[in-house]
Amino acid sequence: GAVVSQHPSWVICKSGTSVKIECRSLDFQATTMFWYRQFPKQSLMLMATSNEGSKATYEQGVEKDKFLINHASLTLSTLTVTSAHPEDSSFYICSAGDTPWEAGSTDTQYFGPGTRLTVL
Amino acid sequence: LAKTTQPISMDSYEGQEVNITCSHNNIATNDYITWYQQFPSQGPRFIIQGYKTKVTNEVASLFIPADRKSSTLSLPRVSLSDTAVYYCLVGNTGKLIFGQGTTLQVKP
Repeated sequence: GAVVSQHPSWVICKSGTSVKIECRSLDFQATTMFWYRQFPKQSLMLMATSNEGSKATYEQGVEKDKFLINHASLTLSTLTVTSAHPEDSSFYICSAGDTPWEAGSTDTQYFGPGTRLTVL
Repeated sequence: LAKTTQPISMDSYEGQEVNITCSHNNIATNDYITWYQQFPSQGPRFIIQGYKTKVTNEVASLFIPADRKSSTLSLPRVSLSDTAVYYCLVGNTGKLIFGQGTTLQVKP
């Protein structure tokens, strides 16, 4: 089956620093990827959508300058949390599908294992 | 995107069949219904997807009535390892809006 990996699985950083999280599709090409965050005891919240080779689309309320997303290849997307603060501490999860995000597609999303970010 | 409603929690015992029902009254013609399972500190895992009637795979069955305004995930003979949060999602793109899900607690 389709496998999505994330790296690192956990990271601890100091306030004010930037952290990059990688999301890779291991056995398929991911033309679309999605980034979510999840706080303890809560559901997943969609942050942004990216198509390979184009700019990411951010959900309302998500700061695009704070959460930089790059989807430069069909197997890799990165999320960079810039100038991280304790309130950015969360569980970040990516998903990938193998068809472009457009109406009429029904691609199944496969999720990565998640990255636990702790900002001190 | 169609909104879904599920019970917040359910309890069951090992060996029992568990049915989790999801309401999606505003489902669109092109929407599919997908269920995911999530364990603590892990990403969601795809369980099953369907459009209408019944779909079965090696881990679950999905029942969808003709009006498609609801769906039922059926887990046969659950075990302790099935304790998790189960999410019902409706849509026709990869963009998924998660509801609160159903926390299933399987007891010995």
